[in-house]
Amino acid sequence: NAGVTQTPKFQVLKTGQSMTLQCAQDMNHNSMYWYRQDPGMGLRLIYYSASEGTTDKGEVPNGYNVSRLNKREFSLRLESAAPSQTSVYFCASTKRDTQYFGPGTRLTVL
Amino acid sequence: ELKVEQNPLFLSMQEGKNYTIYCNYSTTSDRLYWYRQDPGKSLESLFVLLSNGAVKQEGRLMASLDTKARLSTLHITAAVHDLSATYFCSYWGYGGSQGNLIFGKGTKLSVKP
Repeated sequence: NAGVTQTPKFQVLKTGQSMTLQCAQDMNHNSMYWYRQDPGMGLRLIYYSASEGTTDKGEVPNGYNVSRLNKREFSLRLESAAPSQTSVYFCASTKRDTQYFGPGTRLTVL
Repeated sequence: ELKVEQNPLFLSMQEGKNYTIYCNYSTTSDRLYWYRQDPGKSLESLFVLLSNGAVKQEGRLMASLDTKARLSTLHITAAVHDLSATYFCSYWGYGGSQGNLIFGKGTKLSVKP
């Protein structure tokens, strides 16, 4: 039981490049989330998916897209990366209001 | 505006002392969460508080929720070095038709011998 996994762990992009952050959970949870964490800002919700086939915007969705591919997988795509998207990204899933977080992806956009 | 204010943001304690971290949130909600984050690590869920007056305890940590005051507290009893970490609270807030999970900026706790 791996819990919530994220790939990659680290990534460096140039401005304008695109990439997809992958997240998977093996706990059969319905709800999944993407957050970004910036120094001194706490976590901010980017997008969430309450169930397979549905997605909703969070606090800071601009510049991102998501796909809930199936119940296990929830991906986050940056179509044209900007330096302001340099951050640590966390994926999480929820069972009975308890959130389980992945290990995070540290993204740098130059 | 949906927001969460935690205070203090930085807390240096001596081992054996007690202290309380406060979490104020801006709009009505009946669910409040506390997390712990160690440096360079992910977040770990500590407590989920789902009703007014809810109190939960785990070891030296105790969390409570007052929905009328929009206030949650995380009380630390007889602190030990292992409790050094950053603690976050969050809540589900609703602005217009959309819900959002809003986090505080975190309280960085350092427990010294």
